[in-house]
Amino acid sequence: AQKVTQAQTEISVVEKEDVTLDCVYETRDTTYYLFWYKQPPSGELVFLIRRNSFDEQNEISGRYSWNFQKSTSSFNFTITASQVVDSAVYFCALSDHNNAGNMLTFGGGTRLMVKP
Amino acid sequence: NAGVTQTPKFRVLKTGQSMTLLCAQDMNHEYMYWYRQDPGMGLRLIHYSVGEGTTAKGEVPDGYNVSRLKKQNFLLGLESAAPSQTSVYFCASSASWAGGFYNEQFFGPGTRLTVL
Repeated sequence: AQKVTQAQTEISVVEKEDVTLDCVYETRDTTYYLFWYKQPPSGELVFLIRRNSFDEQNEISGRYSWNFQKSTSSFNFTITASQVVDSAVYFCALSDHNNAGNMLTFGGGTRLMVKP
Repeated sequence: NAGVTQTPKFRVLKTGQSMTLLCAQDMNHEYMYWYRQDPGMGLRLIHYSVGEGTTAKGEVPDGYNVSRLKKQNFLLGLESAAPSQTSVYFCASSASWAGGFYNEQFFGPGTRLTVL
């Protein structure tokens, strides 16, 4: 069975601080896909990144970066120089290769509050 | 393109009443999903569909039924609403596998349902 754990339920930082959101996953499959979604206060879910299990390169997109480590089954998300607009709930999700419908297993989410 | 739309946005029901939530997508996606979001539990899959006329159970299907009579629509029904079904419901869609490339899910804006 798949499982995604986001141990940090809430994080509060002051603007311009760096913050890392942790994601640990469990799966028996060797081929799988990891995702991060953002849910701002308006409620919609916004896709941020997809990573497959064969690609362990870290990725940077502006102030966002992702650290994928298969050895520790983690896919952590770092926001550099946080801004108030980064305040949201962030979800990590997992989908395995033997999944006919691209189904996702979500973590419980981390609420990030960035204070001015 | 409207993407994924959901109707209604808000609804209050009394215990035992029935209702149908409508999801529509204009991206010609094969796959569609219904999730519920509860505090601290992330999103949990209720039912999904891999094509017109097909549906399957997800993680928490009890108390819900679905239908996919047209490719662009996915309906979620509650036959006899219970307070435990108070939640935010999200619909999502994704393209099917294409040459081994996994496609992310696109989400609708959500429906906030309260059952009294």
